[in-house]
Amino acid sequence: GDSVTQMEGPVTLSEEAFLTINCTYTATGYPSLFWYVQYPGEGLQLLLKATKADDKGSNKGFEATYRKETTSFHLEKGSVQVSDSAVYFCALRNNAGNMLTFGGGTRLMVKP
Amino acid sequence: EADIYQTPRYLVIGTGKKITLECSQTMGHDKMYWYQQDPGMELHLIHYSYGVNSTEKGDLSSESTVSRIRTEHFPLTLESARPSHTSQYLCASSQSSYSYNEQFFGPGTRLTVL
Repeated sequence: GDSVTQMEGPVTLSEEAFLTINCTYTATGYPSLFWYVQYPGEGLQLLLKATKADDKGSNKGFEATYRKETTSFHLEKGSVQVSDSAVYFCALRNNAGNMLTFGGGTRLMVKP
Repeated sequence: EADIYQTPRYLVIGTGKKITLECSQTMGHDKMYWYQQDPGMELHLIHYSYGVNSTEKGDLSSESTVSRIRTEHFPLTLESARPSHTSQYLCASSQSSYSYNEQFFGPGTRLTVL
């Protein structure tokens, strides 16, 4: 079945540091890929998405590129802020169905 | 901005009580979902619905039940709450169409059973 593997956290960075959160997936066919963010005490919000190979999703300074050859969708940001502290979830939707398969989540803590 | 609502946001209740967690969306989405989020953050799909009068169990077995009598409403019920039900419950919805089918999430209900 489909699966998503994220790097375990917590990831602790200083403000303005470069962020990478690794995400790899296993799926049949050509899934769509997503990054969701969950701020403390809230539900999940879609951060960015990519629907086909080599697509780059971007939002709020975050980027991720759909790499089919390495089955990866790593999240990056050039300069993190304290307000980026949250839990980040990588997810895929197999185009054969409607369900999302989530990774385990990665907690990011950014210190001033 | 997504219009999906969950009530209550927080609930502390004693063992054996019956509870209903409410979820409503105003986007006209046909698909709705319930996830249970454990303290380790991992999300588990416990119920979903493809439309009115359609409900299915998810990947994680749950003692809860759901109903979908109206498109916009997808309540989750526990007949007899137990401490093992303590968790965060997240509701989501999406629209069937030829698209990436984004799921919109509610703010969650944090349930504590004493």
